[in-house]
Amino acid sequence: EVQLVESGGGLAQPGGSLRLSCAASGFTFSDHKMNWVRQAPGKGLEWISFIDGNGYSVYYADSVKGRFTISRDNAKDSLFLQMNSLRPEDTATYYCARDPPGYFDSLDSWGQGTLVTVSS
Amino acid sequence: DIQMTQSPSSLSASVGDRVTITCRASQSVSTYLNWYQQKPGKAPKLLIYAASYLKSGVPIRFSGSGSGTDFSLTISSLQAEDFAIYYCQQSYTTPFGFGQGTRLDIK
Repeated sequence: EVQLVESGGGLAQPGGSLRLSCAASGFTFSDHKMNWVRQAPGKGLEWISFIDGNGYSVYYADSVKGRFTISRDNAKDSLFLQMNSLRPEDTATYYCARDPPGYFDSLDSWGQGTLVTVSS
Repeated sequence: DIQMTQSPSSLSASVGDRVTITCRASQSVSTYLNWYQQKPGKAPKLLIYAASYLKSGVPIRFSGSGSGTDFSLTISSLQAEDFAIYYCQQSYTTPFGFGQGTRLDIK
C-alpha cells in the first residue's frame, strides 16, 4: 500500500525556519517525481514545488522561490521541504504528493498533511 | 503562468442528478489536465488525469473531457459521497496551478 507521511509542521515565528519531511513507503520512491502542495485554512490548493526522481530537476512557485528548498533522499525514501524566511501567509497545511510515471504529472497519492503556522 | 478558472464556484444538486463542472485554462495545456476531489479535513484524491483517464478505483460515474483550454468533469448520477470540493489542475508546465475549486453541496 502506498503511504506518504508528512512531519515537521508546527508553530514558527515570522522570519523563522522549518523543515518538513515526507516518509514514503509501499512503492519504489526513486522512480517517482514528487511535489509539495499547500492549502491555507479555508482556501484552495496551491502547488509549490516539484522534484524529479533523481533530484536533479526542481521547480518552485514564485510565492516560495528563493525561500523554500525541495530535496530528497532516495536511500531513505524521504522527501523534504526546507522553509526559510517564513511569512504569515505561509500558514497552511502542507501535503506531499506522488507524481507517477505515465500519469501526465498528476498527483495520484497524497499524505495526510502537516500544519505550519507562522505567527508571532 | 497559466491561470485555471473553474465554474461554477459552488453548486447545489440532489442525489441522482447529473452535474458538470468546467475548467478553463488561460492558454493551451493540451490534455495535461487533472481533476481532484477533496472532502473536509482530508487530503485531495485524484479522480481523472490527462483530461479523460479515470484513475483506477474511481467510480465510472465520473468522467472528464476536453483539450486545449476547455475541460469538464461530469458526474453522471450523484451519490451522497460525492458532495465535496472539486479542483482542476494543469500539469502542462510549471507552476502546476490549480483552479479555485467548485464546492458541490446537497440541495
